Amino acid sequence: GAVVSQHPSWVICKSGTSVKIECRSLDFQATTMFWYRQFPKQSLMLMATSNEGSKATYEQGVEKDKFLINHASLTLSTLTVTSAHPEDSSFYICSAREGLGAIQYFGAGTRLSVL
Amino acid sequence: SQQGEEDPQALSIQEGENATMNCSYKTSINNLQWYRQNSGRGLVHLILIRSNEREKHSGRLRVTLDTSKKSSSLLITASRAADTASYFCATEPNNDMRFGAGTRLTVKP
Repeated sequence: GAVVSQHPSWVICKSGTSVKIECRSLDFQATTMFWYRQFPKQSLMLMATSNEGSKATYEQGVEKDKFLINHASLTLSTLTVTSAHPEDSSFYICSAREGLGAIQYFGAGTRLSVL
Repeated sequence: SQQGEEDPQALSIQEGENATMNCSYKTSINNLQWYRQNSGRGLVHLILIRSNEREKHSGRLRVTLDTSKKSSSLLITASRAADTASYFCATEPNNDMRFGAGTRLTVKP
């Protein structure tokens, strides 16, 4: 199957700093990428959907200025958590698909811990 | 927001037994997918069943879909300790994937 690489897999940062997470589709062009957040023992909650070259569509309750998403190319999307606070600590997962209705392939996730 | 619910929330069985997980969803769908997640890892796609299909098999996995009841089930036969993971169903009501709450399966050796 297709491969989605997510980096870093684990990051610890101080409160108030910004953290960037990268999501790359390695062997296909991802027209759409998705960012999810997952709390322990809970399901994945969709944060935003990004299409290459256009602004991301955020889910209700997700702060656009807090979680900056860039999808500048067909193989790369980034999520930047700005001015991180301890409550932003979570597991963030990206996924990508090649076209409408196609299978989504997931990255391995990034565990963010904000001190 | 989540699309549906799964039951049971947690399931513990012995190796060799079958495991059945159910999923219900709310809106009409084109397809339904099942994913597996090992603790602290990303999701792995298991199987996709289209809305015009009623049953699909893949190895030890069997998925059924009842669109009239808006429900699906995942059966894992002859379970192994390595099947221990969380299992999620997912649908795409607006071309963005929504997940159920998941079932945490524990297979004891």
